[in-house]
Amino acid sequence: GAVVSQHPSRVICKSGTSVKIECRSLDFQATTMFWYRQFPKQSLMLMATSNEGSKATYEQGVEKDKFLINHASLTLSTLTVTSAHPEDSSFYICSAQTGDPSSTDTQYFGPGTRLTVL
Amino acid sequence: AQKVTQAQTEISVVEKEDVTLDCVYETRDTTYYLFWYKQPPSGELVFLIRRNSFDEQNEISGRYSWNFQKSTSSFNFTITASQVVDSAVYFCALDNTDKLIFGTGTRLQVFP
Repeated sequence: GAVVSQHPSRVICKSGTSVKIECRSLDFQATTMFWYRQFPKQSLMLMATSNEGSKATYEQGVEKDKFLINHASLTLSTLTVTSAHPEDSSFYICSAQTGDPSSTDTQYFGPGTRLTVL
Repeated sequence: AQKVTQAQTEISVVEKEDVTLDCVYETRDTTYYLFWYKQPPSGELVFLIRRNSFDEQNEISGRYSWNFQKSTSSFNFTITASQVVDSAVYFCALDNTDKLIFGTGTRLQVFP
């Protein structure tokens, strides 16, 4: 149980294009999903918290207009990197909370998406 | 301020050795959760354990064990009889406001 998927697993795009990454909770409903960014050999940096049906809450320093987050259903959140540039190249990971009272604060992570912007 | 420190950047052991990964946290809150996650080379973070601040009992799960000491704000992770498949980056994390604060991770390499 508590499986989270991400699609695509890897994407290469040209500078200036937009890329959409999907995060799905496969066997549970996730009222809250999170988006992280991880640079090579570094820790995870929280970008934003996404609640179903409401606007995402972005961390300080994260550009809302560049990283568009939509949480349209209890099983799907999307991250769109708009007008991507080489500095946006990174490993993007999503996570989801089950809402199960016994594990309310546990985040289950997706496999990540490696974005390379040429 | 909330903070998680994993002082060991990288550890190398030979298979079958025991290894302990250290985690020290800082928080002013009395209610919080501590986690350990494993990140193998594939990149996915695998949930290992969740511990709340009121439960100081040590836990054992197979070859894994965790030692939670509130007095020293530590939540250390021990792998007994390590195996090559244990090679990964291990992250300790703190959660008290629905946000995970990660340590910088410890890269464990287990050699055959």
